[in-house]
Amino acid sequence: ETGVTQTPRHLVMGMTNKKSLKCEQHLGHNAMYWYKQSAKKPLELMFVYSLEERVENNSVPSRFSPECPNSSHLFLHLHTLQPEDSALYLCASSQGSQSRGNTIYFGEGSWLTVV
Amino acid sequence: AQSVTQLDSQVPVFEEAPVELRCNYSSSVSVYLFWYVQYPNQGLQLLLKYLSGSTLVKGINGFEAEFNKSQTSFHLRKPSVHISDTAEYFCAVSRYGGATNKLIFGTGTLLAVQP
Repeated sequence: ETGVTQTPRHLVMGMTNKKSLKCEQHLGHNAMYWYKQSAKKPLELMFVYSLEERVENNSVPSRFSPECPNSSHLFLHLHTLQPEDSALYLCASSQGSQSRGNTIYFGEGSWLTVV
Repeated sequence: AQSVTQLDSQVPVFEEAPVELRCNYSSSVSVYLFWYVQYPNQGLQLLLKYLSGSTLVKGINGFEAEFNKSQTSFHLRKPSVHISDTAEYFCAVSRYGGATNKLIFGTGTLLAVQP
């Protein structure tokens, strides 16, 4: 059983739709992340929240909008996506910064298909 | 900037045979090194990590990795694999003491264990 849960596991949406991915961590961590995993590409770090404050945004298009209402919950709001945005979106959490060698814990991911 | 290279996209191996998955990194500063595993339809799970000290690191499921600073490598090994080890394996690096919360991943190696 994972300490990081993501819903929905699968999502199909049209390019004009608005949807959200949800992530909840039960580990008491203070940092949360969104990653994008596409076939044959390295995992791409999209957003980092530390103590509920966004500390990193790796030039992600504005059609992706994150929200971190508290240290246990993280959302990724999706709006007017493109077919190339189809991927596995992974949420993760850690206690402290990745840069200090702390382990990050991943959820099982949300498979997104944009049609 | 740091980068990670996993030259082998796929490694087929027979059950009970030894395996080595290669990982090379590039960095001008000291780094932390990680191996994560992703089983089908699941998120990533930490196998092992090198922070400091002994260059031979032991992880879960009988895996181990050796940090070689002169060759900038962190190869993953297992003396005898099982069918259940079939998964995608990701090497990752983070900068020691860096200000940014960033874990850089390689493109992954699919370990395909055959009976």
